[in-house]
Amino acid sequence: AQSVTQPDIHITVSEGASLELRCNYSYGATPYLFWYVQSPGQGLQLLLKYFSGDTLVQGIKGFEAEFKRSQSSFNLRKPSVHWSDAAEYFCAVGPRDTGRRALTFGSGTRLQVQP
Amino acid sequence: DTEVTQTPKHLVMGMTNKKSLKCEQHMGHRAMYWYKQKAKKPPELMFVYSYEKLSINESVPSRFSPECPNSSLLNLHLHALQPEDSALYLCASSPSASSYNEQFFGPGTRLTVL
Repeated sequence: AQSVTQPDIHITVSEGASLELRCNYSYGATPYLFWYVQSPGQGLQLLLKYFSGDTLVQGIKGFEAEFKRSQSSFNLRKPSVHWSDAAEYFCAVGPRDTGRRALTFGSGTRLQVQP
Repeated sequence: DTEVTQTPKHLVMGMTNKKSLKCEQHMGHRAMYWYKQKAKKPPELMFVYSYEKLSINESVPSRFSPECPNSSLLNLHLHALQPEDSALYLCASSPSASSYNEQFFGPGTRLTVL
C-alpha cells in the first residue's frame, strides 16, 4: 500500500541550530515529492518539491531537501533555524502514474523553536 | 494574484442549519480541491474538481455537497452536519489536477458544529 511516514511527531530545536525533518515513503515507483509548511490557523505553503534530476532541492526560506532513492526518503533540512520557522511541516507525495492523481500527506511534524 | 481566498473565516452552525463555504482563485487554475483538517492531523482530501467537473470524491457523506459554478469559484454546501464534522476546511487550487503541480492553499474556514 502507498504510504508516507513522518516518524517525528514533535521536534524542539534552539534558534540558530540546524534542523532535519524526516520523511519516508512507500510507493511502487518514485513519486513526486513535496514539503509544505503550515503556520497556526493558516493554510499550507509549499517549501520545495522534487520531480527528477538533482537530488538536492533548494526551497524557500532557506530550506533544502535531499531525495535518497535507496532509502525512500526525502528529508528536509535547514542549517540555522529562526523563531519564525515554528510551524507544522508536512511531507506529501503525488503519484506519477495516471491513476489516482491526488496528494497523500504524511502525519506532520510540529517544530518548536526555543530562544 | 497568487492567492486563494476563503469565506467565511469562522462558521458556527447547528446540526439543522444549511450553510455554504466559498473559495475563489484568480490564477487561471483549472483544478480545485476541498480538504478537511482535524486538529493536529494532516489535511484529508474530500473532493477534486478538474475543469469544473468533479473528478474525485473521497466517499464523503452526502451532507457535504460541492459545487464549481465556474473556473474561479468553488463552494461547499453544508446540511445536517454532525459535531464530528467540526474542523478546518481548506480549499486549494493548482494549474491542473496532475499530481506534479504545486497546490496553492487558502487560509481555511474554521467550522464548529454545535
